[in-house]
Amino acid sequence: GESVGLHLPTLSVQEGDNSIINCAYSNSASDYFIWYKQESGKGPQFIIDIRSNMDKRQGQRVTVLLNKTVKHLSLQIAATQPGDSAVYFCAETAQGGSEKLVFGKGTKLTVNP
Amino acid sequence: NAGVMQNPRHLVRRRGQEARLRCSPMKGHSHVYWYRQLPEEGLKFMVYLQKENIIDESGMPKERFSAEFPKEGPSILRIQQVVRGDSAAYFCASSPPGPYTQYFGPGTRLTVL
Repeated sequence: GESVGLHLPTLSVQEGDNSIINCAYSNSASDYFIWYKQESGKGPQFIIDIRSNMDKRQGQRVTVLLNKTVKHLSLQIAATQPGDSAVYFCAETAQGGSEKLVFGKGTKLTVNP
Repeated sequence: NAGVMQNPRHLVRRRGQEARLRCSPMKGHSHVYWYRQLPEEGLKFMVYLQKENIIDESGMPKERFSAEFPKEGPSILRIQQVVRGDSAAYFCASSPPGPYTQYFGPGTRLTVL
């Protein structure tokens, strides 16, 4: 399944499938992008970041892709687990992260066992 | 290494009262950011502070809201004469000096009756 940024705020996948969450950002001057995971009643938890001089960055089970041409960011989660169920936010900022973050509206990921 | 601490976790106030929210950044972090989150929405930037200085308060309402980050002690977000529309989750984030990722606390959930 695939989420298209702000227009499809929910994504439901089966355990073990790969998940793709998309985000369109607005500011062409943004040079630092972060994905956060927020579980119910908790604060945003850092997942992975990427700077504008990169197109792709991989972490443990997660990959972030950045397409500056179309101002698009995606988060791929491999082998999605029930513990991945949460709301995922992309955030952008200028000046390498030392400025305020601008958050997208978020995508709610539900993983079915 | 303790993360970002916020207290109280839940705060109930009646209209017209004052709310004081506290944030202790991670050890070694001298930058503090405050964000507000309404239900089903992303986080909205309010204010960015360094020790004894307000760097950017462009997201903070001009009236009733103030923030400080003294040389000693936690950062305080103060809301005077609260109204029902102030009900939200307020998150604090911190980062070290320079272009580094912001790490979030668990938030304070303010309810105005």
